Amino acid sequence: EPEVTQTPSHQVTQMGQEVILRCVPISNHLYFYWYRQILGQKVEFLVSFYNNEISEKSEIFDDQFSVERPDGSNFTLKIRSTKLEDSAMYFCASSEVKTDTQYFGPGTRLTVL
Amino acid sequence: EDQVTQSPEALRLQEGESSSLNCSYTVSGLRGLFWYRQDPGKGPEFLFTLYSAGEEKEKERLKATLTKKESFLHITAPKPEDSATYLCAVQARRNTDKLIFGTGTRLQVFP
Repeated sequence: EPEVTQTPSHQVTQMGQEVILRCVPISNHLYFYWYRQILGQKVEFLVSFYNNEISEKSEIFDDQFSVERPDGSNFTLKIRSTKLEDSAMYFCASSEVKTDTQYFGPGTRLTVL
Repeated sequence: EDQVTQSPEALRLQEGESSSLNCSYTVSGLRGLFWYRQDPGKGPEFLFTLYSAGEEKEKERLKATLTKKESFLHITAPKPEDSATYLCAVQARRNTDKLIFGTGTRLQVFP
């Protein structure tokens, strides 16, 4: 069964450093998403991406964040200058169409020291 | 403001003891309600999508139902492997992509 994959599974970084989280969405899906979950809290929407541009973003997704689809299979989330409060699980998701079920990857645990 | 409230926060069941989890929502026009299962340190795993009041979906020991204000996830004769956090999320009908999640119900099933 097709699934969303994410790398790395765990990323440790120093405050102020740049990180790139990588995702490979399900191959025939057209819509891509990033969510995050701070330990013990709700899953929160960050951004959606369709047709090589941002479709929607939350207030969390400020200028420190960016997304890119560098090739036909990968979807990335970049955090330019990490802060302690960026420590969280980051989930990539994809869906075939906008109104369809979103399928989530296993997540990347980001720890900012 | 759109929001999702799940109850109870935690539920402990004996194996075979059936129960229900509740998801109450307020949203300006519901496009879809989604149930996911999340194991510790893992991503949400899709279970069901419900689109309209009165709709029901079943999968093994799980059954999801939907009304205009809430959804229930019924667990019949649970087994220890059903232990997980169950997440409810809604998507609004207006032009939005995002899912709005509840905080989840942490289910523990003991043998």
